[in-house]
Amino acid sequence: EVQLVESGGGLVQPGGSLRLSCAASGFSFSSYSMNWVRQAPGKGLEWVSYITSSSSTISYADSVKGRFTISRDNAKNSLYLQMNSLRAEDTAVYYCARDFYTLGSYYSDYWGQGTLVTVSS
Amino acid sequence: EIVLTQSPATLSLSPGERATLSCRASQSVSTYLAWYQQKPGQAPRLLIYDASNRATGIPARFSGSGSGTDFTLTISSLEPEDFAVYYCQQRSNWPQTFGQGTKVEIK
Repeated sequence: EVQLVESGGGLVQPGGSLRLSCAASGFSFSSYSMNWVRQAPGKGLEWVSYITSSSSTISYADSVKGRFTISRDNAKNSLYLQMNSLRAEDTAVYYCARDFYTLGSYYSDYWGQGTLVTVSS
Repeated sequence: EIVLTQSPATLSLSPGERATLSCRASQSVSTYLAWYQQKPGQAPRLLIYDASNRATGIPARFSGSGSGTDFTLTISSLEPEDFAVYYCQQRSNWPQTFGQGTKVEIK
């Protein structure tokens, strides 16, 4: 059974840092691209970052570029999101999501349960 | 970036009725469009990918159609468990973007 379990969320002051983790199991983690997607309270979904299976391609939403860093450790079946210089508007539930490839594109077929990040003084 | 506009914002229907949800893209996304269902306190669930392909385990009452800029998610006969928020997502261009969601509520 495919499982994605996020951890590392919590309350942090503006300007602070937090590192999120996503533990993967039930599939060959090293073969899949991964995403972080967030959802502010009561709002819609916002893509945050993407990393390919070998970490050769990484991309970020403009809203987090220069502040967030995505990484992965295929030996540990884990995905990470290092978040620095946090702002109130980064408050959200953060989901990790696995991408699968179809003829021409990728889609996120499995999602974790999410971890809540609250940025507040 | 490509903007996805979903309509209506809220759809009030009764169980057994047909639901038709719309997603319009600000520029062509070909058929690189997905639909997700999200219930309160849960993660999104992939329903449809490549505009019209049902994901694994998704009931046949869910169907998707469209190409270019106009897409539709149809739920042929609403079951009690289908009342939720639905999001479209494009994977044609970077960055991937989501629509703002359509809430299907019980009338």
